[in-house]
Amino acid sequence: DVVMTQSPLSLPVTLGQPASISCRSSQSLVYSDGDTYLNWFQQRPGQSPRRLIYKVSNRDSGVPDRFSGSGSGTDFTLKISRVEAEDVGVYYCMQGTHWPPWTFGQGTKVEIK
Amino acid sequence: QVQLVESGGGVVQPGRSLRLSCAASGFTFNNYGMHWVRQAPGKGLEWVAVIWYDGSNKYYADSVKGRFTISRDNSKNTLYLQMDSLRAEDTAVYYCARCYYLDRSSTPDYWGQGTLVTVSS
Repeated sequence: DVVMTQSPLSLPVTLGQPASISCRSSQSLVYSDGDTYLNWFQQRPGQSPRRLIYKVSNRDSGVPDRFSGSGSGTDFTLKISRVEAEDVGVYYCMQGTHWPPWTFGQGTKVEIK
Repeated sequence: QVQLVESGGGVVQPGRSLRLSCAASGFTFNNYGMHWVRQAPGKGLEWVAVIWYDGSNKYYADSVKGRFTISRDNSKNTLYLQMDSLRAEDTAVYYCARCYYLDRSSTPDYWGQGTLVTVSS
């Protein structure tokens, strides 16, 4: 199984400042079709997860453009350009290249300083 | 609008069974595969099972294989999870989530609100 490792696990951020979350996979997430199936999810307190980013860098509909995804192979990053209060929550990366199983990172908790 | 509404959770003794349901609306259900993903209290997300849009394929996490069964009724726009031989470690919020049938990665793109299953004597 592919192991997804996120860092940091806790991220205190000042409002208006940038934030960055790293996600590493235990093997390359490039599929034979050339696509890389790495996704990012946001889970606000008391809510269900919401997909933000698919295939490394594609934002889902309605996702603010302050969220961006990048990376390749085994190293990926989710960036928030300017953190807002509504961004508080836990962020998970998830791979969809080598399944089953679909595997998630441990989660990164973003909180306001 | 898209809606996924889980039901059937509750408190159950170890070794007993429970069946979860997920009612879908607002989209063409038989164009989507469906996942169950769970989250133990205070913990991260764990994938549990998936069923293809037409029910032709099913996959399970090793932790539930042989105990849980995923199924769907496309005529009722409903997904199910039959959970047998429940253990304390199955205690979690169970989410259903859809994935578009043409998406090679079958990534969940929309999730329900979840239903809590507590396994305790």
